[in-house]
Amino acid sequence: SYVLTQPPSVSVAPGKTARIACGGNNIGSKNVHWYQLKPGQAPVLVISYDSDRPSGIPERFSASNSGNTATLTISRVEAGDEADYYCQVWDSTSDHFVFGTGTKVTVL
Amino acid sequence: EVQLVESGGGLVQPGGSLRLSCAASGFTFSSYWMTWVRQAPGKGLEWVASIKQDGSEKYFMDSVKGRLIISRDSAKNSLYMQMNSLRAEDTAMYYCARGGEYGSSPFDYWGQGTLVTVSS
Repeated sequence: SYVLTQPPSVSVAPGKTARIACGGNNIGSKNVHWYQLKPGQAPVLVISYDSDRPSGIPERFSASNSGNTATLTISRVEAGDEADYYCQVWDSTSDHFVFGTGTKVTVL
Repeated sequence: EVQLVESGGGLVQPGGSLRLSCAASGFTFSSYWMTWVRQAPGKGLEWVASIKQDGSEKYFMDSVKGRLIISRDSAKNSLYMQMNSLRAEDTAMYYCARGGEYGSSPFDYWGQGTLVTVSS
């Protein structure tokens, strides 16, 4: 089965840039989506189709996807960005959705 | 405004059954794939099952096949999941999520979740 690997945690100072990697075999050939999950809240789609920002998502959120790694970038990090972030793809081989292992972003 | 409201969670013994519901509003329910996603305590997100607009196609994660049944009722704008032969490892927060036109579409709206605890 297809596996997506993320670093367990990323720490960043306010105003700096956080980058979250999502590794998968030839992930660049797939559409990658990113979700933000805060405690007690519904998950939020922050990036779809590799780099598209849904309505209402700040421009500080951007992403790219190439080769074996997709990357979510959060620029000018704010305290409110502290959350767990998950990448996701559709694996057409198995007709399954796959989520990454998740990354906890801590704002110092 | 799109809203998804889950209900039906609770405490159930191993081997027991539970039926989750998700009430949808604010959009044309019959035009979207719908999905259940879960998160076990201290664990990550895990896709569980998805169902096509007309219910003609359904996809399940391997460990729930034959035990969890996804269904929908467009007349009631509702998504369901019948959970049978429940195991301790099914303990999780279960989220209802809206997909898109295609089965592979991302989930653009989510509910707040309903908690299922499987324990004796």
